[in-house]
Amino acid sequence: EAQVTQNPRYLITVTGKKLTVTCSQNMNHEYMSWYRQDPGLGLRQIYYSMNVEVTDKGDVPEGYKVSRKEKRNFPLILESPSPNQTSLYFCASSLGQTGTGELFFGEGSRLTVL
Amino acid sequence: GENVEQHPSTLSVQEGDSAVIKCTYSDSASNYFPWYKQELGKRPQLIIDIRSNVGEKKDQRIAVTLNKTAKHFSLHITETQPEDSAVYFCAIGNQAGTALIFGKGTTLSVSS
Repeated sequence: EAQVTQNPRYLITVTGKKLTVTCSQNMNHEYMSWYRQDPGLGLRQIYYSMNVEVTDKGDVPEGYKVSRKEKRNFPLILESPSPNQTSLYFCASSLGQTGTGELFFGEGSRLTVL
Repeated sequence: GENVEQHPSTLSVQEGDSAVIKCTYSDSASNYFPWYKQELGKRPQLIIDIRSNVGEKKDQRIAVTLNKTAKHFSLHITETQPEDSAVYFCAIGNQAGTALIFGKGTTLSVSS
């Protein structure tokens, strides 16, 4: 089944404790991206990647890192989480190398930072 | 930078009525206009999209219209059903082609 898989789905952590949210897609998509969803703010892009080893900042990259060592994986790293990073995070992928085609979203990862 | 405004933020209709959600955008170079539906606790999923060389596109009960001159596009849902209740997001492709810029969403409630 074609899908984007994120883990963990739910996580409660404390300020400063490094964490990684994994994202994997099995559709051989070139483009991958991370969005965060906050009430009243919609979906905002954190980072994106157009190809292996090619990543760039989106609109709200502060406090996050990403890597794209393999085509299928695009982990989101929070080196020192803070409470303002409490949010619902979505990984998404798209067939082309641009982010302006259909996005396929993962199921979301709800992160709480205490 | 690119921006998209979505209205209304909430919309309540009776089953069978029509619903219209409108988005306006600032960048005249935008040429891709999708709509996503997010049911409660689920992921956003594409329901319909339109490219700038087309003025209207229909898929059963949903349609999207685009007015490039006025820089707005709208989602139309006819004969609404309770399962249409969800949050709907419009989006535009940014000029660099690196992202979709999403509106803040419209919560549609369809009561039977």
